[in-house]
Amino acid sequence: DQQVKQNSPSLSVQEGRISILNCDYTNSMFDYFLWYKKYPAEGPTFLISISSIKDKNEDGRFTVFLNKSAKHLSLHIVPSQPGDSAVYFCAASEGEYGNKLVFGAGTILRVKS
Amino acid sequence: EAGVAQSPRYKIIEKRQSVAFWCNPISGHATLYWYQQILGQGPKLLIQFQNNGVVDDSQLPKDRFSAERLKGVDSTLKIQPAKLEDSAVYLCASSYAGGQNEQFFGPGTRLTVL
Repeated sequence: DQQVKQNSPSLSVQEGRISILNCDYTNSMFDYFLWYKKYPAEGPTFLISISSIKDKNEDGRFTVFLNKSAKHLSLHIVPSQPGDSAVYFCAASEGEYGNKLVFGAGTILRVKS
Repeated sequence: EAGVAQSPRYKIIEKRQSVAFWCNPISGHATLYWYQQILGQGPKLLIQFQNNGVVDDSQLPKDRFSAERLKGVDSTLKIQPAKLEDSAVYLCASSYAGGQNEQFFGPGTRLTVL
């Protein structure tokens, strides 16, 4: 039973354009959401997070949007750069502090120059 | 600040053999996690420690997997005996106790069971 789903296994975007990665969740107890980026042979690195009390959080080129009624979140990268090419994981937790993360299967982003 | 250290980076064993992985978290991080990432899937939590106590081991296959964090710092994860389906990357992560859920991951150990 996948509680966090990333339905697009891969996404290809031209450099300079917007990348939009999507994530859906089923557990209504999830109230804190994170995005991680992973390069080959490295561990995931934290990118950006959002609490359920917000519907948007922005950090430089990265913005996460949360639609609680639809149980959907998305990560926007603008403008996309070749160095953004990686696997992006969506993760969710019940509570913001010290709780386990439930991950989606990931989306491979390729940014073409 | 040094990151999460893991060793070995790669391990190949025969089924029914045993294997152990080591993790050294970021200094000062009281919470330590072990995740299993099977190819094509996201990381799945196996066990979570707070200092040297277990917080959550509900998804740890306890008939073959064990983990310890004796002094509240380093941790080891053991598999005995290994099965083919244990082939995966084993990730260790750490975070501040009571801190926001930003977990810092190590590079992982890629295990292949033949």
